[in-house]
Amino acid sequence: NAGVTQTPKFRILKIGQSMTLQCTQDMNHNYMYWYRQDPGMGLKLIYYSVGAGITDKGEVPNGYNVSRSTTEDFPLRLELAAPSQTSVYFCASSPGQGKIHEQYFGPGTRLTVT
Amino acid sequence: DAKTTQPPSMDCAEGRAANLPCNHSTISGNEYVYWYRQIHSQGPQYIIHGLKNNETNEMASLIITEDRKSSTLILPHATLRDTAVYYCIVRAGFSGSARQLTFGSGTQLTVLP
Repeated sequence: NAGVTQTPKFRILKIGQSMTLQCTQDMNHNYMYWYRQDPGMGLKLIYYSVGAGITDKGEVPNGYNVSRSTTEDFPLRLELAAPSQTSVYFCASSPGQGKIHEQYFGPGTRLTVT
Repeated sequence: DAKTTQPPSMDCAEGRAANLPCNHSTISGNEYVYWYRQIHSQGPQYIIHGLKNNETNEMASLIITEDRKSSTLILPHATLRDTAVYYCIVRAGFSGSARQLTFGSGTQLTVLP
């Protein structure tokens, strides 16, 4: 299993541009999550999904959108990028069903907005 | 969720056991203890979790005291690649709406050659 994969690894955006961060998992996990981690800080949950077609906001959803059309994929969309969105973005998945907090993370996408 | 307290840093000699403590004195009966680590510039990595019994897997052992107010993560033979920040997290196993993992400041473990 590849686990959780994320693309791209790095990206530089100009203010006002948009982009989609891709996340795919091959573990057939129902739950998926997007976190951001600012330098020297902890992770903050942006959005999560408990299954295909179901998404919900986390702690810091403003400026982001998600969709979950399949079990495997959970893309994160940034509209009108702002410097405050400069961060490392991690996607994660978990089996759910009593293992919600057994989360498996991808390698991250390092995003800079200038 | 129960608050956790960990030492900010620890050193361990390569090949020796690394014992990382965590205090969670306000833990509730339905809360599990989870351990994660984050190697520099990488995504967090799940290590192990437990409720009240000691647990062991291929990565580590988790020892939870009988009163569940503290726990110790044991890496039996630490290697240089185990250098990372280790996080102890207490969460309810069937959390209704709060799926978020909250990573505190953790313990920076440095394995010395």
